[in-house]
Amino acid sequence: GESVGLHLPTLSVQEGDNSIINCAYSNSASDYFIWYKQESGKGPQFIIDIRSNMDKRQGQRVTVLLNKTVKHLSLQIAATQPGDSAVYFCAAIIMDTGRRALTFGSGTRLQVQP
Amino acid sequence: DSGVTQTPKHLITATGQRVTLRCSPRSGDLSVYWYQQSLDQGLQFLIQYYNGEERAKGNILERFSAQQFPDLHSELNLSSLELGDSALYFCASSVAGGHGNTIYFGEGSWLTVV
Repeated sequence: GESVGLHLPTLSVQEGDNSIINCAYSNSASDYFIWYKQESGKGPQFIIDIRSNMDKRQGQRVTVLLNKTVKHLSLQIAATQPGDSAVYFCAAIIMDTGRRALTFGSGTRLQVQP
Repeated sequence: DSGVTQTPKHLITATGQRVTLRCSPRSGDLSVYWYQQSLDQGLQFLIQYYNGEERAKGNILERFSAQQFPDLHSELNLSSLELGDSALYFCASSVAGGHGNTIYFGEGSWLTVV
């Protein structure tokens, strides 16, 4: 099963520093990936996505890198702010006869220290 | 605000009872997904509907069922409730018209079974 909740890996960074959150996926057939941010008691919130024909995509203060060779995804947050404190999940679409349900990776809890 | 509306936000019920969780997708979205999030299982995909028809099934128990109505809202029915069913249940929606359609989550329904 997935590793979440009390057993989440935690990344602690200082405010203003850059954060890098990593994610590994297992199914090489996945061709669409999304990063979600989940604050306590709230639903996952879309941050950024990337398709498998790309290896990098940038948003506002966030960059997602995709390495299909090693099935690895990372989320970089520039100038991390206290409001970035949350659990971050990567998710993948498993292409299977039109099924578009997300498979979530184990989350990472980001703690931003003031 | 993602545009996905879930009710009720909180629900406390006894073991053996039956509850119905309701979801209104974003305007224009045809696909609805249900996820369960608990401390020891993380975000688990339950079931997906597209334009009224079941599209994919995940780890959904036989005691649980769902449907999507002609107006595209969806209901998740949980019966013979057990203590272990206590969790946060998320509904999500997407256009589901092809690749790269973002999936947006509601705020979730907290279910506590006592």
